[in-house]
Amino acid sequence: GAGVSQTPSNKVTEKGKYVELRCDPISGHTALYWYRQSLGQGPEFLIYFQGTGAADDSGLPNDRFFAVRPEGSVSTLKIQRTERGDSAVYLCASSRTGGESIGELFFGEGSRLTVL
Amino acid sequence: RKEVEQDPGPFNVPEGATVAFNCTYSNSASQSFFWYRQDCRKEPKLLMSVYSSGNEDGRFTAQLNRASQYISLLIRDSKLSDSATYLCVVNPRGTYKYIFGTGTRLKVLA
Repeated sequence: GAGVSQTPSNKVTEKGKYVELRCDPISGHTALYWYRQSLGQGPEFLIYFQGTGAADDSGLPNDRFFAVRPEGSVSTLKIQRTERGDSAVYLCASSRTGGESIGELFFGEGSRLTVL
Repeated sequence: RKEVEQDPGPFNVPEGATVAFNCTYSNSASQSFFWYRQDCRKEPKLLMSVYSSGNEDGRFTAQLNRASQYISLLIRDSKLSDSATYLCVVNPRGTYKYIFGTGTRLKVLA
């Protein structure tokens, strides 16, 4: 597709369950970001990938959160033992360049996670 | 103190009005600045980058004041379609993060 694709668009789960959220970035974009956005707040940085490696994971709130990008394209955000406070919209963004050059971020439509 | 601070609003203005938003940032070493626009229940999209010399794109003007660590966005001749949340974004030097503010909500009234 032409844009960043995220699946699922909506996910309802129960407290304590495991969740995976997928992001397919724009083809050729080497930089990939995960953000979390709660109602009335701006996007909160979680993790940044340059290629296959997590260049900055300082935004991950705790060790229940983990993300991978094994082939430098699709990324999966994994949340273990979900808590009600994890409920938010999880946004993925990609950018053509990373490193020293900051480019425009292109966001997906997000995955809305609700933990009951 | 938050790294990027914005007045959440809402700003309710009539069509044709001029409106300005400010955003302050705490990291003096920040190197890149942007305004993103986010429509209700949609993803953020780049509105404009902010350059040291200031820049203009149609009805939109962005300014950067490094000494006072704030950036501004001016919208002239507001349209109903300008109703959205405007997010201030800062990239601290030496990092690859984009730090977003809370956003300022604008509602342009007919």
